[in-house]
Amino acid sequence: DTGVSQDPRHKITKRGQNVTFRCDPISEHNRLYWYRQTLGQGPEFLTYFQNEAQLEKSRLLSDRFSAERPKGSFSTLEIQRTEQGDSAMYLCASSLGLRTDRTNYGYTFGSGTRLTVV
Amino acid sequence: SQQGEEDPQALSIQEGENATMNCSYKTSINNLQWYRQNSGRGLVHLILIRSNEREKHSGRLRVTLDTSKKSSSLLITASRAADTASYFCATGGLTGRRALTFGSGTRLQVQP
Repeated sequence: DTGVSQDPRHKITKRGQNVTFRCDPISEHNRLYWYRQTLGQGPEFLTYFQNEAQLEKSRLLSDRFSAERPKGSFSTLEIQRTEQGDSAMYLCASSLGLRTDRTNYGYTFGSGTRLTVV
Repeated sequence: SQQGEEDPQALSIQEGENATMNCSYKTSINNLQWYRQNSGRGLVHLILIRSNEREKHSGRLRVTLDTSKKSSSLLITASRAADTASYFCATGGLTGRRALTFGSGTRLQVQP
């Protein structure tokens, strides 16, 4: 494993089009996270999976956004009917589950997919 | 929304100097983590401190945590130009069920 892989690295799309991003986590990590980051801001949480179960979704995740992790391995994030406000870096991260004291393990992030909606 | 707020938002120092960044958060936590992000790249995990710990060291990094003040600081000693990056704190909730919540970051510039 060389880390978390995201594809594509860059995506330019016209407003109203659908886009799909893929994330391949570290294979032994059972948690997978999606975050969105705009320029000069910290990552904003979107959703996360433990294995194939989607355990948490942010209110930021409107009905135009959907994420899947069908076999508990790779994940996809789809944005339908893109808007200019969707332009951002979409970051995927993975981690092991919780320690016995409920401490989170550190996250390993991919390099992100930069989306530009024109 | 973002739980953590870093201070300062931007910091410029000379190589060899120490850099101190602060993070404040709002709700009770189980652990706090610091990450570094080089421009246009993903984040890299630096260090984790549990809520029952007060100080942690890793190489040139020193992290403190004051849960009574809901604040943490990251000190980078003997800074190098390669330390130029954005630094984010991230907090984990008490049950561990929720994903980490990140702050807005401190942009550190180390002048050679």
